[in-house]
Amino acid sequence: DTEVTQTPKHLVMGMTNKKSLKCEQHMGHRAMYWYKQKAKKPPELMFVYSYEKLSINESVPSRFSPECPNSSLLNLHLHALQPEDSALYLCASSDRDGVSTGELFFGEGSRLTVL
Amino acid sequence: EDKVVQSPLSLVVHEGDTVTLNCSYEVTNFRSLLWYKQEKKAPTFLFMLTSSGIEKKSGRLSSILDKKELFSILNITATQTGDSAVYLCAPNTGNQFYFGTGTSLTVIP
Repeated sequence: DTEVTQTPKHLVMGMTNKKSLKCEQHMGHRAMYWYKQKAKKPPELMFVYSYEKLSINESVPSRFSPECPNSSLLNLHLHALQPEDSALYLCASSDRDGVSTGELFFGEGSRLTVL
Repeated sequence: EDKVVQSPLSLVVHEGDTVTLNCSYEVTNFRSLLWYKQEKKAPTFLFMLTSSGIEKKSGRLSSILDKKELFSILNITATQTGDSAVYLCAPNTGNQFYFGTGTSLTVIP
């Protein structure tokens, strides 16, 4: 199984809503990532988890709250978002903790629209 | 601060042409460089390069890394309309993959 599965594929939310994006992989990868991608821009790193611990937070606003309940799951909790947070949110995983020598495996992404 | 620059930013060619895409990087703790192709959804993996001067090849695509001059190139020969996409390079610094600005390639029939 070489898949990273993200749900939901599309999400529309108001600025006062609380929602979550979910990501799952069963490749035994110990590093998992959240990227944000705006239209016509490259993916921008948000968070990295290594062995279920947050290892990198790229100065992301607190309205985005990541969570890694176990080695296969990664969540991104969303609260009080702004319209400019509308983007494609990509989850990825890679083979080793913190010293990955392999590729990033991406999910299909969750397209978020904030009204 | 880590920096990844790709050139050109966009390119329009005719089917059958050969293209060369460039990626230059300045990052700490460099481990490898990855190339991805992105169409409408998530990036798909093309190559991982770790050693200088060793060409990686897959069909009409090939790539090479120069760790001394800190750049990589991606070549596509005999381009087809299906090659139209954004091509992204991403140096791996051990626990981070930072994507370059991307090159948008359009292949006209």
